[in-house]
Amino acid sequence: DADVTQTPRNRITKTGKRIMLECSQTKGHDRMYWYRQDPGLGLRLIYYSFDVKDINKGEISDGYSVSRQAQAKFSLSLESAIPNQTALYFCATSDSGQTQETQYFGPGTRLLVL
Amino acid sequence: GENVEQHPSTLSVQEGDSAVIKCTYSDSASNYFPWYKQELGKRPQLIIDIRSNVGEKKDQRIAVTLNKTAKHFSLHITETQPEDSAVYFCAASISASKIIFGSGTRLSIRP
Repeated sequence: DADVTQTPRNRITKTGKRIMLECSQTKGHDRMYWYRQDPGLGLRLIYYSFDVKDINKGEISDGYSVSRQAQAKFSLSLESAIPNQTALYFCATSDSGQTQETQYFGPGTRLLVL
Repeated sequence: GENVEQHPSTLSVQEGDSAVIKCTYSDSASNYFPWYKQELGKRPQLIIDIRSNVGEKKDQRIAVTLNKTAKHFSLHITETQPEDSAVYFCAASISASKIIFGSGTRLSIRP
């Protein structure tokens, strides 16, 4: 689904570095989410935003921050990366106008923290 | 806290046979149950979902059943094909801000 894009797709960084993962969408959805995926743990919600000025913590927000720069853009920052933040990160969108809020995922960013 | 348990973690079936994946949830207020398929190296994509006012839903070879009393729901894939090989995730949701995913089932279809 090319309507939700993530950059970069892969990133290697060192412990203590600040990095930013970016997500853009052309679906016109108002809601955006950041998840991380770890083997055997499924998808866990980090942060979500229902509108430009709305930011909410998810299940595992410690060590992360986000910015909703516009309706179409939602970025995730790791202020000081640590090795256990090595994971696959997915951005997702949904439309509050739908009866059933299907989540549309981006292609993912694979992050390795050394 | 809220939890969704998914079983089995891995499943191997002969092509043409059926596959069943089961999930249980803890929050009785959950009212929306989607299933996502993630092929190797790709993003999760919705394949079927069900709301709490429905007991069963079918779409071609896939079906989902829901037992609200027991708080469990299942994905059924019939006449499995090689392209069904993927990781499948169940989820339970109260609202858009509260969706809990299962840990995933890796389904392999043997030729």
